[in-house]
Amino acid sequence: GQNIDQPTEMTATEGAIVQINCTYQTSGFNGLFWYQQHAGEAPTFLSYNVLDGLEEKGRFSSFLSRSKGYSYLLLKELQMKDSASYLCAVVDSNYQLIWGAGTKLIIKP
Amino acid sequence: ETGVTQTPRHLVMGMTNKKSLKCEQHLGHNAMYWYKQSAKKPLELMFVYNFKEQTENNSVPSRFSPECPNSSHLFLHLHTLQPEDSALYLCASSQVLAGAPQTQYFGPGTRLLVL
Repeated sequence: GQNIDQPTEMTATEGAIVQINCTYQTSGFNGLFWYQQHAGEAPTFLSYNVLDGLEEKGRFSSFLSRSKGYSYLLLKELQMKDSASYLCAVVDSNYQLIWGAGTKLIIKP
Repeated sequence: ETGVTQTPRHLVMGMTNKKSLKCEQHLGHNAMYWYKQSAKKPLELMFVYNFKEQTENNSVPSRFSPECPNSSHLFLHLHTLQPEDSALYLCASSQVLAGAPQTQYFGPGTRLLVL
C-alpha cells in the first residue's frame, strides 16, 4: 500500500528553528509537495521537490532524499503566524497525490 | 485568497436533507477536485474532473453526487448523509499537463455537520 508518515504534532519556540519530517512509501515517485494550512483556511502551496537536495525559499526550506523516501520542511526564525498544520503529499506513478495526515505545529512565545 | 471560492463556509444538515456545495475557480485551470478532510486523517480524494469530464471516483458513496457544468464550477450534491460524513470538504483546482504533476490550489472549504 501507499503510506505517508508525519508527526501528528510538534511544539517550538518563537525565533527558533523546527524541522518537520515526512517519510513515504509509494508506487512510484514524481515529486513531493509541502502545503501549509491555518485552522479554518485553505491549504496553501509551500514547496515542490522532485530532485534530491535542499530548496530554500526565504525562512522555509524543503529537503528531499529519494533513495531514503524522506523529506523535511525546515522553518527558521519561527513566528507566531507559523502556527499551522503542514501537509506532505507525494505524487505517485499515476500522478495522483498521496497525502499525509499533516503535522500540527504549535509556536510558543 | 487563492482564486478558489467555496460556498457555504459552514453547513448544518439533518440526515434527510438535500443540500449542495459550490466551488468556483478563477484561475483558468482545467481540472477540479473534491476532497474530504477529517481530523487527524489524510486528505481523501473524492472526485476529479478534467476538462469537465469525471476521471476519478474513489469509491465514494452515492449519497455524494458531483456535478461539473463547466471548467470553472464544481458542485457536490448531498442527500441522506450520515453523521460520519461530518468533515471539512475542500475543493481544489490545477492546470493539468500530460505527464507532469501540477500544484493544486485549494478553496477555504465547507465545514459540514450532519445531525
